[in-house]
Amino acid sequence: EADIYQTPRYLVIGTGKKITLECSQTMGHDKMYWYQQDPGMELHLIHYSYGVNSTEKGDLSSESTVSRIRTEHFPLTLESARPSHTSQYLCASSRGGAGEGKTQYFGPGTRLLVL
Amino acid sequence: GESVGLHLPTLSVQEGDNSIINCAYSNSASDYFIWYKQESGKGPQFIIDIRSNMDKRQGQRVTVLLNKTVKHLSLQIAATQPGDSAVYFCAENQGANNLFFGTGTRLTVIP
Repeated sequence: EADIYQTPRYLVIGTGKKITLECSQTMGHDKMYWYQQDPGMELHLIHYSYGVNSTEKGDLSSESTVSRIRTEHFPLTLESARPSHTSQYLCASSRGGAGEGKTQYFGPGTRLLVL
Repeated sequence: GESVGLHLPTLSVQEGDNSIINCAYSNSASDYFIWYKQESGKGPQFIIDIRSNMDKRQGQRVTVLLNKTVKHLSLQIAATQPGDSAVYFCAENQGANNLFFGTGTRLTVIP
């Protein structure tokens, strides 16, 4: 069982609100990731981080931002939520390095509904 | 460009039968592959991995086969159980890049 946590698990919020999705891992992993996923569909990488003070944009353009001030914490922020942001957001981490270091371990996800 | 694709989006099997989930990849330089299982309402869970210098790896009730000649990866589940119902993703890695995930196959086990 992976030690990676996301809060909240579910969030219903009105358009225009600012929200922060929390992600923490206790495995000491250097790399962390955020994916956006519609139910039963493919994963889209929106942000990732190689370590503290490192953040990169992923393959899918996103209006969200991330920060990595501590190794274990990788929050995602939406400054102004819109209905198009409705989706599931998955956080993951990996040890880094070659081979098995690439294996990503996922949190349970946050299901976001923007009204 | 790189792509990881699945042959079938859905698969239904009878309980107790074996399941085979297939995945095609296009990057011959990919050196590491992973299968994930995602149950409804949960994040993907690691099942099994395989390096490109192997062609077969076995776990508990699962076997991954890698055919580098045709760039094909498969996941075999023996004696499929209702708890195996989920969406299965393959993922590939090439060098320093992040993992590339496939579209996913939904496995439904019929009791």
